[in-house]
Amino acid sequence: ELKVEQNPLFLSMQEGKNYTIYCNYSTTSDRLYWYRQDPGKSLESLFVLLSNGAVKQEGRLMASLDTKARLSTLHITAAVHDLSATYFCAVDSPGGATNKLIFGTGTLLAVQP
Amino acid sequence: GAGVSQTPSNKVTEKGKYVELRCDPISGHTALYWYRQSLGQGPEFLIYFQGTGAADDSGLPNDRFFAVRPEGSVSTLKIQRTERGDSAVYLCASSYQRTIYNEQFFGPGTRLTVL
Repeated sequence: ELKVEQNPLFLSMQEGKNYTIYCNYSTTSDRLYWYRQDPGKSLESLFVLLSNGAVKQEGRLMASLDTKARLSTLHITAAVHDLSATYFCAVDSPGGATNKLIFGTGTLLAVQP
Repeated sequence: GAGVSQTPSNKVTEKGKYVELRCDPISGHTALYWYRQSLGQGPEFLIYFQGTGAADDSGLPNDRFFAVRPEGSVSTLKIQRTERGDSAVYLCASSYQRTIYNEQFFGPGTRLTVL
């Protein structure tokens, strides 16, 4: 059974600081996704990572993928308050027939001024 | 263009009642997914449609849950004899599967509360 774990579950950080969220998954998967969710809102797609060594950046967020280690990271550079949200990673279920996503439990990020 | 829409945004019902939740996917998206998100958790898969047929319903918790997509566009999730444990946010997502990314776009969700 595919499992996805994120850590930390909660992250309080000061504006201007850097930090990394980690996402581990238990079995091989074709794609890894990062989503952002604001309180009471739906999920916004941030990144889709396909291959080993893939790196994508958007503003202060950078995501990377190591398929051999089954690990993805979401790095936050010089955090600002607007980045406060819950961040989820998700992977495609094995086999590829369904493409249903298996989500981690999420990381609640609170950026303090 | 318009994103995924879901109605109602909130639904409060009593234990034992029947409810229907509607999802209108992005035009042209062939794949449609339903997920359920409990407080403080990530979304959990319920069912996947490719066109009109349910290609994978392995996430439906029991036979009180059923979903349809009769014309390959709008989908309805139906819950019979609701229980308090069914309270959650029900999310719908759609994707255009003919890309290597198969990115799923989520709707705003329906918050279901069973009293």
